[in-house]
Amino acid sequence: AQSVTQLDSQVPVFEEAPVELRCNYSSSVSVYLFWYVQYPNQGLQLLLKYLSGSTLVESINGFEAEFNKSQTSFHLRKPSVHISDTAEYFCAVSDVTGRRALTFGSGTRLQVQP
Amino acid sequence: SQTIHQWPATLVQPVGSPLSLECTVEGTSNPNLYWYRQAAGRGLQLLFYSVGIGQISSEVPQNLSASRPQDRQFILSSKKLLLSDSGFYLCAWNRGGGADTQYFGPGTRLTVL
Repeated sequence: AQSVTQLDSQVPVFEEAPVELRCNYSSSVSVYLFWYVQYPNQGLQLLLKYLSGSTLVESINGFEAEFNKSQTSFHLRKPSVHISDTAEYFCAVSDVTGRRALTFGSGTRLQVQP
Repeated sequence: SQTIHQWPATLVQPVGSPLSLECTVEGTSNPNLYWYRQAAGRGLQLLFYSVGIGQISSEVPQNLSASRPQDRQFILSSKKLLLSDSGFYLCAWNRGGGADTQYFGPGTRLTVL
């Protein structure tokens, strides 16, 4: 079984400031790692994912996340946020074997202020 | 391209009434299908998943049930709703046979009064 911990339920930040959203996971088997973003009253959209290879993965809108196996972490970062980045962000893992359903963290609400 | 639909978008139901939420996927065949629930201020909880027609696995014991009458149709039901069934219900799919990324529908917001 897997579990995901997102310690920060809310992260307020000013526009153009850097941000890091933390994610730690626990699993007895190898996993894939994901970050999803949810805008108000919408479904989830994939932001980025780690499957294998380079431990640093990037999204098209400037976010990046680094897989750290020793610390079982997959923190999400952006060097300069925009108002439009305000949303809920979910970290998730899936088992590389079996049914590949996702186990989600409780989410972090990123609030970008002008 | 593939698209996923959910309806209704919002629903207000009294306690004890039945429920039927529908999810359909277009542009792919034999997808894995999932139902998640997102309660207010909480993360997503996997409710059911299906790897094929008539094949349903339940993750959490509850008064909800799921069915897959067709390859690309996934239905979430209840005979009698509880107040605790309120939440945001999300359907998702991914490709069978080794896929990874899940694609989510727009969701249904259910309020039980």
